Amino acid sequence: GEDVEQSLFLSVREGDSSVINCTYTDSSSTYLYWYKQEPGAGLQLLTYIFSNMDMKQDQRLTVLLNKKDKHLSLRIADTQTGDSAIYFCAESSKEAAGNKLTFGGGTRVLVKP
Amino acid sequence: DVKVTQSSRYLVKRTGEKVFLECVQDMDHENMFWYRQDPGLGLRLIYFSYDVKMKEKGDIPEGYSVSREKKERFSLILESASTNQTSMYLCAITQGGVSTEAFFGQGTRLTVV
Repeated sequence: GEDVEQSLFLSVREGDSSVINCTYTDSSSTYLYWYKQEPGAGLQLLTYIFSNMDMKQDQRLTVLLNKKDKHLSLRIADTQTGDSAIYFCAESSKEAAGNKLTFGGGTRVLVKP
Repeated sequence: DVKVTQSSRYLVKRTGEKVFLECVQDMDHENMFWYRQDPGLGLRLIYFSYDVKMKEKGDIPEGYSVSREKKERFSLILESASTNQTSMYLCAITQGGVSTEAFFGQGTRLTVV
C-alpha cells in the first residue's frame, strides 16, 4: 500500500529557515499536503500542491516537489515560536475511493528563541 | 466556518466496555473518516465512509466498527475496548472527488484502563 515517511523531529532557532522533508511511494498521488497540528488541537491544512507542479509559494511557506524521487519538502522562512507544532505530510490520489488521505508519521518542530 | 464536532475531548473507559465515539459535521461533505493518532506513527486510517450507510475499511480496522445512518454523523464503535486502543481519535471530512482540504475535529483522547 501507500507509504509516507517523515523524520520525527526538527529543532530550529527563531528567525532561521526550517525545512521539513517527506518521501512517499504512491506514484499515482494527485495531491500532496502539509498539515499543522498545534498542541491540543486537530490538524489544519497549511498548503497543498498538485502533482504536476514543482513548486508552490505561499507567504513564508515554500513547497518543493520532486516527482521523480517522490520527495516533498516544506520550507518555512523566518521561523517563529508560533511555528512550533507537529507537521504532517499527506497524499491522496484520484484512484483512492472517498478521497482517502495517507499521512506520514509527523515531524515535531521545536523553535528555540 | 466548517465545523467538525467530536462528542468528547476526553474519555476514560474500562477494558471490555463498548465505546461510542461520535462525529458530526455541518458542511454536507460526502466523505467522513476516523483516524487514530499515536506518537511516531502519525495518523492511521481506521474506517471511512463516502456515503450514507456506506463504509470502507482503512488500514487498521480490527477491533472497530462504524455506523453512518445520516450524512452528517459518523460513529466509531469499539465493541470491547482494550488497553491497546488507548489513543487520540480524530474525525475528518472531505468533499466528494479529490478535494484540496480535509477538515478535522478536535480529537477525542481515549484512555482504556
